Amino acid sequence: NAGVTQTPKFQVLKTGQSMTLQCAQDMNHEYMSWYRQDPGMGLRLIHYSVGAGITDQGEVPNGYNVSRSTTEDFPLRLLSAAPSQTSVYFCASSSTGKGSNQPQHFGDGTRLSIL
Amino acid sequence: RKEVEQDPGPFNVPEGATVAFNCTYSNSASQSFFWYRQDCRKEPKLLMSVYSSGNEDGRFTAQLNRASQYISLLIRDSKLSDSATYLCVVNGAPRGSNYKLTFGKGTLLTVNP
Repeated sequence: NAGVTQTPKFQVLKTGQSMTLQCAQDMNHEYMSWYRQDPGMGLRLIHYSVGAGITDQGEVPNGYNVSRSTTEDFPLRLLSAAPSQTSVYFCASSSTGKGSNQPQHFGDGTRLSIL
Repeated sequence: RKEVEQDPGPFNVPEGATVAFNCTYSNSASQSFFWYRQDCRKEPKLLMSVYSSGNEDGRFTAQLNRASQYISLLIRDSKLSDSATYLCVVNGAPRGSNYKLTFGKGTLLTVNP
């Protein structure tokens, strides 16, 4: 049972480079989201999606783009990496579970360093 | 007031101790509440949802006070394996929605032998 799969697990980039963090889930979840976690800051929502073709901004969207062409995949793009984007990135998914609130299933995380 | 505020910790307790975590939230329209657990360098995992009437799962008891906008988690008879960071999570979205989750910064618990 794969759950939420994130790739890569580790990445080092130079300032100005671009890259895409991949996230895939095999649970047919409608809702997917990206968070970043920094020391002393907790998890902060970057972007989220409530279904294929629908995305919206979270708390800290600047410098990141997302798309949701399929239910399974929700990639996060860094257009021009900056040192301030050094962080641990988590992708999460859940059923929207109308009438109840479903738990978030998190991927293992991607540890990203920008030099 | 910060959206979700937790005890800063860290907490260091001996095995068998009872430990309580406190959390306050600012959005009075928040509909659902959770406690997550995060082990070092791992992803967060749901520990338990928090219901209005309070709920218990083994050694863990969660309480919600909507009037005070306060959530608590009590761990009884703590084990070494309970050592982790505990995250208070509040959903400010309408019931049945999962977006608008706001995480507290977490409280680190270390249970010592």
